[in-house]
Amino acid sequence: NAGVMQNPRHLVRRRGQEARLRCSPMKGHSHVYWYRQLPEEGLKFMVYLQKENIIDESGMPKERFSAEFPKEGPSILRIQQVVRGDSAAYFCASSDRVSTEWSGNEQFFGPGTRLTVL
Amino acid sequence: SQQGEEDPQALSIQEGENATMNCSYKTSINNLQWYRQNSGRGLVHLILIRSNEREKHSGRLRVTLDTSKKSSSLLITASRAADTASYFCATDERAGSYQLTFGKGTKLSVIP
Repeated sequence: NAGVMQNPRHLVRRRGQEARLRCSPMKGHSHVYWYRQLPEEGLKFMVYLQKENIIDESGMPKERFSAEFPKEGPSILRIQQVVRGDSAAYFCASSDRVSTEWSGNEQFFGPGTRLTVL
Repeated sequence: SQQGEEDPQALSIQEGENATMNCSYKTSINNLQWYRQNSGRGLVHLILIRSNEREKHSGRLRVTLDTSKKSSSLLITASRAADTASYFCATDERAGSYQLTFGKGTKLSVIP
């Protein structure tokens, strides 16, 4: 009964390279969320996806960042032409529902990918 | 201040003591959750309290919610060294929402 899995756990890139972060949600979960955490900060929402659909990407930078959640395989967060300011921990979370009046949107988090841009 | 702001920013106590952390938020919420994050690790879900609930318990954890004051507290009783971590509150603002808004967290140190 694996939880949310993310890989790689650590990623080092030079400025201008591409970073690909992968997330496999918990079994049975169809909702995936990506968050970014800067040092000493809380998590900031980036994007919410369901299978093959981006539902809300309001937290994503307009350029260089993209996300997908294909029918088969993990969700991917892709950062093109990375800059030093992209260095952060990127967390993926999954849930089996959205929040309703009777139940909360309990999100289960992966261990994160720590991206370092040199 | 931002939605879901924790107070204090850092807390240091002796093992066996109780730890209380507070969270304030600005908008109305559907529910509020508390998470724990050990250094360099992912987040672990601790407890969820709905907007129509006032108090909830889980083991050594007690969470209260005061929607009139837009605040919540997390109490950890009989703390252990293993409780050393950062604690975050997260809110979702309405039914049907999916985006959690996190505060900056309270860094708890429990000294053996």
